[in-house]
Amino acid sequence: AQSVTQLDSHVSVSEGTPVLLRCNYSSSYSPSLFWYVQHPNKGLQLLLKYTSAATLVKGINGFEAEFKKSETSFHLTKPSAHMSDAAEYFCVVSDRKGGGNKLTFGTGTQLKVEL
Amino acid sequence: GAGVSQSPRYKVAKRGQDVALRCDPISGHVSLFWYQQALGQGPEFLTYFQNEAQLDKSGLPSDRFFAERPEGSVSTLKIQRTQQEDSAVYLCASRGLAASPDTQYFGPGTRLTVL
Repeated sequence: AQSVTQLDSHVSVSEGTPVLLRCNYSSSYSPSLFWYVQHPNKGLQLLLKYTSAATLVKGINGFEAEFKKSETSFHLTKPSAHMSDAAEYFCVVSDRKGGGNKLTFGTGTQLKVEL
Repeated sequence: GAGVSQSPRYKVAKRGQDVALRCDPISGHVSLFWYQQALGQGPEFLTYFQNEAQLDKSGLPSDRFFAERPEGSVSTLKIQRTQQEDSAVYLCASRGLAASPDTQYFGPGTRLTVL
């Protein structure tokens, strides 16, 4: 069984300040972990993914995430928020033993960026 | 290149009507997935195809839901006798052999409203 918990349903930051979106996961086997972003009326876009290579993963638009097995966490960070980062972010886990066929999504974190 | 496309983008149905939602995956992608995203929630897995074979339908909520991919390309998700709880965004995703085994590329979704 696999699951993810996104610890904050809403995060609000000022433009130019750091972003931290928190995610904890549970997986019976070695997981693959992802962050997807969803802008209003747009499809889900992959930001970054972890698949057992480097534990610090860099993604698009300046985002990165660190896989910490001891803490079962995969938090998403960005040094400086931009207005265009305002969107819904989903932490996602898949079970690689099962072929990664079923993605399990968290409930999402709505990021608001203020001037 | 072209991404995953879905049609219609919006569908309004009266309770009890049948609906059919179409997904055109990225050309050459052998794997296709359907997810259901209720308002304010993360997407939830419905079913998975590899080519024309439906290998996992464990997420289909009832026998009113039926999916097919007869030629291993376009897929249709059919919902019979729609009910109000079927109102959601239905997302299609595809995955290709050339990509990472775990990366799923999502379409924009079909928003179904059942009155």
